[in-house]
Amino acid sequence: NAGVTQTPKFRILKIGQSMTLQCTQDMNHNYMYWYRQDPGMGLKLIYYSVGAGITDKGEVPNGYNVSRSTTEDFPLRLELAAPSQTSVYFCASSPGNGESTDTQYFGPGTRLTVL
Amino acid sequence: SQKIEQNSEALNIQEGKTATLTCNYTNYSPAYLQWYRQDPGRGPVFLLLIRENEKEKRKERLKVTFDTTLKQSLFHITASQPADSATYLCALDPDSWGKLQFGAGTQVVVTP
Repeated sequence: NAGVTQTPKFRILKIGQSMTLQCTQDMNHNYMYWYRQDPGMGLKLIYYSVGAGITDKGEVPNGYNVSRSTTEDFPLRLELAAPSQTSVYFCASSPGNGESTDTQYFGPGTRLTVL
Repeated sequence: SQKIEQNSEALNIQEGKTATLTCNYTNYSPAYLQWYRQDPGRGPVFLLLIRENEKEKRKERLKVTFDTTLKQSLFHITASQPADSATYLCALDPDSWGKLQFGAGTQVVVTP
């Protein structure tokens, strides 16, 4: 199993551009999450999904959108990029089927710079 | 939302000693608390989970305690090794849906 994969690894955007961060998991997990991590700060939840077709906002959703059309994929869309969105973005997944719900598996991250 | 505090200063420790990290939180008491390890340029990796009705949890050289009265968790690495050098993150789940809230992490540096 590859686990959670994210693309791209690095990206530089100009202010106002848009892009999609890709996230795929091959563990058949129900729950998926997007976090951002700013330097010296804890990870903050952007959006999450408890299954295909179901998404909800986390702590810092403004400026982002998500969709979950399949169990495997959970892309994060940035519209009209702003310098404040410069961060490292992590996708995570968890089984969401009871006792093992609690453990989250993280991808390697996407480092995004907006200039 | 929950405020989660971890020591911001790096913990420098000699190989073989025990490293002790602190995680303090305010407001509500979560149903469980998790600890993750993060290496530079990589995603967090799950280490341990402790539930509110558990006082202590162990996994190999790792030990976690959870004091809901003090609103504090302690994370211990015994017989530390240079390979334990990393940043350790504390995370709480406010409503058991996995919407984790993370502390900023404490960097541990183990020197031979």
